[in-house]
Amino acid sequence: AQTVTQSQPEMSVQEAETVTLSCTYDTSESDYYLFWYKQPPSRQMILVIRQEAYKQQNATENRFSVNFQKAAKSFSLKISDSQLGDAAMYFCAQATLYNTDKLIFGTGTRLQVFP
Amino acid sequence: DVKVTQSSRYLVKRTGEKVFLECVQDMDHENMFWYRQDPGLGLRLIYFSYDVKMKEKGDIPEGYSVSREKKERFSLILESASTNQTSMYLCASSPNPSGTADGYTFGSGTRLTVV
Repeated sequence: AQTVTQSQPEMSVQEAETVTLSCTYDTSESDYYLFWYKQPPSRQMILVIRQEAYKQQNATENRFSVNFQKAAKSFSLKISDSQLGDAAMYFCAQATLYNTDKLIFGTGTRLQVFP
Repeated sequence: DVKVTQSSRYLVKRTGEKVFLECVQDMDHENMFWYRQDPGLGLRLIYFSYDVKMKEKGDIPEGYSVSREKKERFSLILESASTNQTSMYLCASSPNPSGTADGYTFGSGTRLTVV
């Protein structure tokens, strides 16, 4: 069975600093995708970044980057130059393609950003 | 702008009532999902559907049923609401197969309180 684990219920960071959110997962599949979603108080889930398991290169999206360690089944999110608008719940998720594509989520990390 | 629309943002129901949560998407997506979100538990999959009139149980289907009579609409039904079903409910959709960066689109959630 697929599982996704986020061991940090809460994290905080100073504005303009860098923070890393951790995520580990477990799957027996070889072909899968990993995602980080942001959920602000508006509740709208926003895709931050995704990683295809077959790609060795770590994904980046502006200030957001991942450290994907396939053998260790680790998928951490690094936020650089943190901004007040980054404050939100962050969820790590995994989907196995061609298996109805259902997303399995972690328990989330609440990120606070201090001025 | 593509959308997943959940009919109610907030809902208060009495114990024992039959409750319908409606979700409509306008992207012609094949897959639709219902999740339940609780603090410390993340998002848990209740049911999903990969085609009209098709449904599959997720991780926590007990006490729920679903209906998908039309491709764009996926309803979650609480046959006899109980207080332990007080939660945030999120609907999502994706094309089949997804496998794309923005393949999953979420609604903005329904916060259900059962009293």
